[in-house]
Amino acid sequence: DTAVSQTPKYLVTQMGNDKSIKCEQNLGHDTMYWYKQDSKKFLKIMFSYNNKELIINETVPNRFSPKSPDKAHLNLHINSLELGDSAVYFCASSQSRDTYSNQPQHFGDGTRLSIL
Amino acid sequence: EDQVTQSPEALRLQEGESSSLNCSYTVSGLRGLFWYRQDPGKGPEFLFTLYSAGEEKEKERLKATLTKKESFLHITAPKPEDSATYLCAVGTDSWGKLQFGAGTQVVVTP
Repeated sequence: DTAVSQTPKYLVTQMGNDKSIKCEQNLGHDTMYWYKQDSKKFLKIMFSYNNKELIINETVPNRFSPKSPDKAHLNLHINSLELGDSAVYFCASSQSRDTYSNQPQHFGDGTRLSIL
Repeated sequence: EDQVTQSPEALRLQEGESSSLNCSYTVSGLRGLFWYRQDPGKGPEFLFTLYSAGEEKEKERLKATLTKKESFLHITAPKPEDSATYLCAVGTDSWGKLQFGAGTQVVVTP
């Protein structure tokens, strides 16, 4: 009954490869997010989609491309992986974008990406 | 520039020894302050949302409070299972973008 699930949990790959991470939420939320947590444990927003529309696109290399086939799924594709991409990537979802107050976000358990 | 600072970085408590964690923020317009708990190898787990100064929320041994400049997470009579990293985050725009602090790692020993 996992609310926000990510696959894979671990991803070990060579530099230069292309990989994808998948995320699904069963909470009926409209908005989904990708975050990166680096070795210092800081969580930083990368992207957000609201009803399949990209609404947040932070300063992230073009090698990272999110895709949302429907509002319950948000995938992250990474081209030409580099050593600096090693991190934990978290997917999250929230009920909606409220114009006045933000709704809490619910997180998956992360995908640990290691580049050799 | 918006800033979120958490202190202390780490806190070691004896079981039953109450304490408080601080989250100070400098933002242009607060749309919500969030507390999360993160266990090793897991994603952040939502605890509380506070929207306006003076607001308080409670859950078991945890109580969160909010002023115009900071939020406190009070842990009353902690147990070893309260050991975790506690993260504070602020929302400042209508797009739902959260800015997180670096977290406070709490260890509660029996």
